[in-house]
Amino acid sequence: QKEVEQDPGPLSVPEGAIVSLNCTYSNSAFQYFMWYRQYSRKGPELLMYTYSSGNKEDGRFTAQVDKSSKYISLFIRDSQPSDSATYLCAMSAPGSARQLTFGSGTQLTVLP
Amino acid sequence: DTAVSQTPKYLVTQMGNDKSIKCEQNLGHDTMYWYKQDSKKFLKIMFSYNNKELIINETVPNRFSPKSPDKAHLNLHINSLELGDSAVYFCASSQSGREQFFGPGTRLTVL
Repeated sequence: QKEVEQDPGPLSVPEGAIVSLNCTYSNSAFQYFMWYRQYSRKGPELLMYTYSSGNKEDGRFTAQVDKSSKYISLFIRDSQPSDSATYLCAMSAPGSARQLTFGSGTQLTVLP
Repeated sequence: DTAVSQTPKYLVTQMGNDKSIKCEQNLGHDTMYWYKQDSKKFLKIMFSYNNKELIINETVPNRFSPKSPDKAHLNLHINSLELGDSAVYFCASSQSGREQFFGPGTRLTVL
């Protein structure tokens, strides 16, 4: 079993829809949780960074962390065609290096 | 003003050759990383350097050798390239292990 599980999709939604992306994990030591967006043939771009449990909102994006369930989510409101990309969850445990463990990514297409 | 840059962007080479990929960050970060992304988009850590010291060295063939001449640079040298080395290699940097910022990637194709 992988440390981080993420539904690879693909996921297609109409423009304006609310998108929910999720990851589950098994390592209870993870304390830092991130969502990256990766456009085709580009590097991952950091979208959201959260520490421990709770919610964080940034514009149309909301990240949720539920450490008791080992479950994290990214919500995208009023989705746009420009949101079409692969979304990667990543997490790390405390430590000097805090190496990231990534999910396999969910490919999202927002249809105009 | 590119934060994390990599060269080259594309690298096509024959099996058995030796090649290097360079990475530079101008963010003033103290930690740099190399990741490998396979054809299924799975990203996996290879190495990490903190203040020029190797702190992460995952199970990677010893044909791969990272080198950090200073805090702003982390290079990756690959000897005796194999077909299975074909992938996209990403450099990233962070300050003391916090948010990591990625470069644009180097797409390596071994023929």
